[in-house]
Amino acid sequence: EAQVTQNPRYLITVTGKKLTVTCSQNMNHEYMSWYRQDPGLGLRQIYYSMNVEVTDKGDVPEGYKVSRKEKRNFPLILESPSPNQTSLYFCASSLSGTGNTGELFFGEGSRLTVL
Amino acid sequence: AQSVTQPDIHITVSEGASLELRCNYSYGATPYLFWYVQSPGQGLQLLLKYFSGDTLVQGIKGFEAEFKRSQSSFNLRKPSVHWSDAAEYFCAVGAGGFKTIFGAGTRLFVKA
Repeated sequence: EAQVTQNPRYLITVTGKKLTVTCSQNMNHEYMSWYRQDPGLGLRQIYYSMNVEVTDKGDVPEGYKVSRKEKRNFPLILESPSPNQTSLYFCASSLSGTGNTGELFFGEGSRLTVL
Repeated sequence: AQSVTQPDIHITVSEGASLELRCNYSYGATPYLFWYVQSPGQGLQLLLKYFSGDTLVQGIKGFEAEFKRSQSSFNLRKPSVHWSDAAEYFCAVGAGGFKTIFGAGTRLFVKA
C-alpha cells in the first residue's frame, strides 16, 4: 500500500530534550516536506527536500533540522525543543519534481507536546 | 505576497443540503490550486486540483470547484452533503519555488 509513515504519532517531551520525528514514504517520490499545523494558521511549511541531499527552508524553519540521506526517509529533528514547538506535524511527499504542482501525499500526523 | 484566504472558520449545513466553501488566493502568475480534506485524526487527502483548462473541475466524493480568475477564487461545492463529509477542508496554492501555501482551513459540521 502506498503510504507516508510518521513516527511517533504522539509524543510528550520536555524543553531541551532532543527528539526526532521520522518520516518514510514507499512511493519513490522525489519531493518531501514537513509542515506544522496550528489552529487558525493552517499548515505552514518547515523544510522541504527536492531529492537526496537537497533540502531547503520553508516558512518556519527556526528550531528545526532535517536531513535526506535516502530517498524514502526525511526525518525532522528538534535539537532543543521549546513549548512554542507544541504542534501537529505532517510529513508529505510528491512525485512531482517541482513539489508545488503535484498532489501531496500526507502522513497521519505527529502530535508533539513540549512541556 | 502569496496567500490563501478561507473566510469561514467553520460552517454548519444540514445533511442533504448543498455546500459551498470559499477560497481566495493571491498569486501573481497562473496558480496551481488544490482542495484537501482532513478527517479527524487523519492526514490530508486531495479532493481535486486545477492546473489549466476547464475552470470547473471535478473531484472525489462528489465535490467540484470552480476557478474564477477575475475574482481570484476557487470555491468548493457539493450538491448534497452527507454526514461523512464532516471534516476540515483546506484550500492551497502551488506557489512556485517548491512551496505549497495552505489556507487556515474551514471546519464543516453536518447536522442530521
